[in-house]
Amino acid sequence: GAVVSQHPSWVICKSGTSVKIECRSLDFQATTMFWYRQFPKQSLMLMATSNEGSKATYEQGVEKDKFLINHASLTLSTLTVTSAHPEDSSFYICSARDFLAGGYQETQYFGPGTRLLVL
Amino acid sequence: AQTVTQSQPEMSVQEAETVTLSCTYDTSENNYYLFWYKQPPSRQMILVIRQEAYKQQNATENRFSVNFQKAAKSFSLKISDSQLGDTAMYFCAFMKQTGANNLFFGTGTRLTVIP
Repeated sequence: GAVVSQHPSWVICKSGTSVKIECRSLDFQATTMFWYRQFPKQSLMLMATSNEGSKATYEQGVEKDKFLINHASLTLSTLTVTSAHPEDSSFYICSARDFLAGGYQETQYFGPGTRLLVL
Repeated sequence: AQTVTQSQPEMSVQEAETVTLSCTYDTSENNYYLFWYKQPPSRQMILVIRQEAYKQQNATENRFSVNFQKAAKSFSLKISDSQLGDTAMYFCAFMKQTGANNLFFGTGTRLTVIP
């Protein structure tokens, strides 16, 4: 199946700093990528939809100025957590939709996730 | 709005036995996709099986099969010949066919396979 990578896999940062997480589709083009957040023992919560060449669409309650999303190419989306605080500590997962699949092949592929710990 | 409900927070099964995980959903859409994802301790989300709503035939993938009841909005996952490696969180998910293509997830079922 298609492969999605995330970098870094884990990061520890000081409160007030910014952290950038990259999500790449390695062997397919993804016009749309999604960013999720997952708290321990809970389900995935959609944060935003990242569209190549246009602004991201944020879910209600997600601060767009705090979670900056850039989707500059068909294979890369980045999530930047600005001025991170301890409450931003979480597991962040991206997924990518296979652009050329469509129809019965419609599937999203997930990255391995990024653990963020803000001290 | 779409909602996905998994009513079994935890389940266990003996190795080599069969287990069924339940999932129901609510939508006004007629065309959509349904998925089961597995999340092992590594937390990597792995696609287990998918179903297109327009297909009446239930999807199967080796030891995994689904019972898709569109009228009842039910989408259960059956795991046959359970293996220790099947121990994981299982999430049922819904995706519209048109418009926003994000996944709506259930709350998950933690499955433990007992040796």
